Amino acid sequence: KAGVTQTPRYLIKTRGQQVTLSCSPISGHRSVSWYQQTPGQGLQFLFEYFSETQRNKGNFPGRFSGRQFSNSRSEMNVSTLELGDSALYLCASSEGLAGATISYEQYFGPGTRLTVT
Amino acid sequence: KQEVTQIPAALSVPEGENLVLNCSFTDSAIYNLQWFRQDPGKGLTSLLLIQSSQREQTSGRLNASLDKSSGRSTLYIAASQPGDSATYLCAVRPKGYQFYFGTGTSLTVIP
Repeated sequence: KAGVTQTPRYLIKTRGQQVTLSCSPISGHRSVSWYQQTPGQGLQFLFEYFSETQRNKGNFPGRFSGRQFSNSRSEMNVSTLELGDSALYLCASSEGLAGATISYEQYFGPGTRLTVT
Repeated sequence: KQEVTQIPAALSVPEGENLVLNCSFTDSAIYNLQWFRQDPGKGLTSLLLIQSSQREQTSGRLNASLDKSSGRSTLYIAASQPGDSATYLCAVRPKGYQFYFGTGTSLTVIP
């Protein structure tokens, strides 16, 4: 099976612009999560989607948004970019959502390196 | 809010040594705990997943244990190799869907 793919791999934007990142999960996986990784804050959860619905959201401003399509592919959008948004954005997929009796392994993509100047 | 701590933050060992990485978490009501490795500038590679009902998991030279009551997990690496050099992260999934990650342990194995 192909792994999680993310496009683009590298991106340079200027302050005030907006950006859209894309994630294609492993075939058959229905849950997609997004994370932001920075040297100062480590890995922070952005949001999780399952069956085209946002199931959980981290503590990020409304400039960060996402969506999931019927084929489970997901996009995240950041509007009005700030210098502090420079980070590695990671996408992870899993077969489903964790529940009381079952939980699923997460598989990560290579990330999109966003630089805001 | 779940807090995840990893100690030590950095570790340097000679090749061939056995080593233990530690992960502690504050809320024991978790679905699972997952260990990852991350190479510089790259994504995360899953190493081991321990369900909340399990005590340990093994894969090759790796063994991970979970003690929910004390909020601790350890990752044991046997006979370390230079290729094991990476940052190791643990993540816990409490009952609420979101994963919480530790800050990682940067491991260097010296040939």
